[in-house]
Amino acid sequence: SAVISQKPSRDICQRGTSLTIQCQVDSQVTMMFWYRQQPGQSLTLIATANQGSEATYESGFVIDKFPISRPNLTFSTLTVSNMSPEDSSIYLCSARQGAGTGELFFGEGSRLTVL
Amino acid sequence: GQNIDQPTEMTATEGAIVQINCTYQTSGFNGLFWYQQHAGEAPTFLSYNVLDGLEEKGRFSSFLSRSKGYSYLLLKELQMKDSASYLCASYGGATNKLIFGTGTLLAVQP
Repeated sequence: SAVISQKPSRDICQRGTSLTIQCQVDSQVTMMFWYRQQPGQSLTLIATANQGSEATYESGFVIDKFPISRPNLTFSTLTVSNMSPEDSSIYLCSARQGAGTGELFFGEGSRLTVL
Repeated sequence: GQNIDQPTEMTATEGAIVQINCTYQTSGFNGLFWYQQHAGEAPTFLSYNVLDGLEEKGRFSSFLSRSKGYSYLLLKELQMKDSASYLCASYGGATNKLIFGTGTLLAVQP
């Protein structure tokens, strides 16, 4: 199993600012992903965080808006840039220990409110 | 691509049995997950099916039919604490991304 810590757990942000969310895993993992969960909705995959290279973004998400870093096998960051109220959401970091299939572990999420 | 459908809401009675259905269309299908998510918390793993058939784990069971693109989660002896969202998710594609359905909000009533 993997224990995933995210910070901040919640924040209130002003329109036009940017915020970086940090994700720390307690063991080395092969795959890390970032999801968004808007109020009352399910999870939407933003991107796969690739170690040492650019993240792979899903349709509708771009690097300029959601830059992602993954410097090693236990840590990743997601930045939400130039925020607007529509970015108010829970952002979840997740990890999988293998490259194939297997359980995906989730952090507790970072709840962002943009005013 | 990947498309997953499940009912938005269900209501059941404490002590009863409830079945939550999920249909999926996933290219390169590699397995189906069920997660439970209580309000304000992270999703937690319930089950994983990759082969056809029924997987039983205590009060929870999950079924998969790959030929029909169909799965269900069966919850027995319902308890009030089972009130939560139940998320169906499928692995697929070249990079084995886990894509979630809309989730089914289950309300267990006394």
